[in-house]
Amino acid sequence: DTEVTQTPKHLVMGMTNKKSLKCEQHMGHRAMYWYKQKAKKPPELMFVYSYEKLSINESVPSRFSPECPNSSLLNLHLHALQPEDSALYLCASSPEPYGTGVSRRAFFGQGTRLTVV
Amino acid sequence: AQRVTQPEKLLSVFKGAPVELKCNYSYSGSPELFWYVQYSRQRLQLLLRHISRESIKGFTADLNKGETSFHLKKPFAQEEDSAMYYCALMNTDKLIFGTGTRLQVFP
Repeated sequence: DTEVTQTPKHLVMGMTNKKSLKCEQHMGHRAMYWYKQKAKKPPELMFVYSYEKLSINESVPSRFSPECPNSSLLNLHLHALQPEDSALYLCASSPEPYGTGVSRRAFFGQGTRLTVV
Repeated sequence: AQRVTQPEKLLSVFKGAPVELKCNYSYSGSPELFWYVQYSRQRLQLLLRHISRESIKGFTADLNKGETSFHLKKPFAQEEDSAMYYCALMNTDKLIFGTGTRLQVFP
């Protein structure tokens, strides 16, 4: 299995809802990432997990809460979002984090298109 | 600060014409640079990375440290090359993307 799988593909939620995005990879990768991509813009890094520990939080509002239950799974819990949070949320993984000398190419999922109403 | 600049938002060429998508970077250390491509309705995928000096789908990119550039080139564009192309730089655990260039190849 050489893919990063994200569910759901589409999500519509109200501003008072709580929902979660899920990301899964079975390539044995030890770094996983959440990116946010607005229309016609490049992906923007949100969080990085290295060896299941949060290593980077790019000053993301607390209404986004990441979780890495194990080395294959990455979740993004959403609560009290705003309409401007509507975007494509991308998950990615890479074999190793920086500094290990191993290839760090990132594999991306197809994304979850989130609409906040 | 680390930054990736892609000066062209849109590049339009005819099939068979040469293509060069520009990428400049600013980074204080030794950069690790990539080109990612996003075809319509497909996931973002790696096209090239500078460390492997490979040629994929006829595309090549050479790292020029003097000019801090990593331009993507192809001698003869094909219609199926039409896509969004992102230059990216790896810094610690961060993959930093440029703003992207949309390549349109007309028949």
